[in-house]
Amino acid sequence: EAGVTQSPTHLIKTRGQQATLRCSPISGHTSVYWYQQALGLGLQFLLWYDEGEERNRGNFPPRFSGRQFPNYSSELNVNALELEDSALYLCASSLIGGSSYEQYFGPGTRLTVT
Amino acid sequence: QKEVEQNSGPLSVPEGAIASLNCTYSDRVSQSFFWYRQYSGKSPELIMSIYSNGDKEDGRFTAQLNKASQYVSLLIRDSQPSDSATYLCAVRGYGQNFVFGPGTRLSVLP
Repeated sequence: EAGVTQSPTHLIKTRGQQATLRCSPISGHTSVYWYQQALGLGLQFLLWYDEGEERNRGNFPPRFSGRQFPNYSSELNVNALELEDSALYLCASSLIGGSSYEQYFGPGTRLTVT
Repeated sequence: QKEVEQNSGPLSVPEGAIASLNCTYSDRVSQSFFWYRQYSGKSPELIMSIYSNGDKEDGRFTAQLNKASQYVSLLIRDSQPSDSATYLCAVRGYGQNFVFGPGTRLSVLP
């Protein structure tokens, strides 16, 4: 069974530009979560999508946004990039309901803002 | 503010010893608890999930949950150098929000 996939692996942008990161969940999973992990820091929750709807967002400014497509894949957009947005962006998927809420992570996209 | 706390480490243990990793959480209505392992530069990998009080064993790993004390731990028996990584505790409350702890860095010395 294929795991969570993310693209691109690395992304280099200039301050002020926009970045788009993509995620495909495990087949059958309907929920997608986005996290930011800055160097040496913990995972910070960004966004949660389920069944195409944004269910919750973390304490991040509105320039962090995203969407979930009918096939449950998801896109994270970061507008007006700032230097401190440089981080590893992780996507996770899970199957809501039943007895398991386990989240499985993709390999991440490393975003570098110069 | 829901919080999950872990000792940042590093926790150093000799090869073959038992490594004990601890996590406390503040939200009393937390439902599910998870341990992830993260190697440097890689994404977190799920090791164990535990939902009810007591112990849950999987190979060399044992997760222990005590909801009354708001405490969850991970024991790694027969620690190997390949176990050297950062271990993240995650807690799910009502709804689907996960809160991750800052992680404990484990170093297993050959």
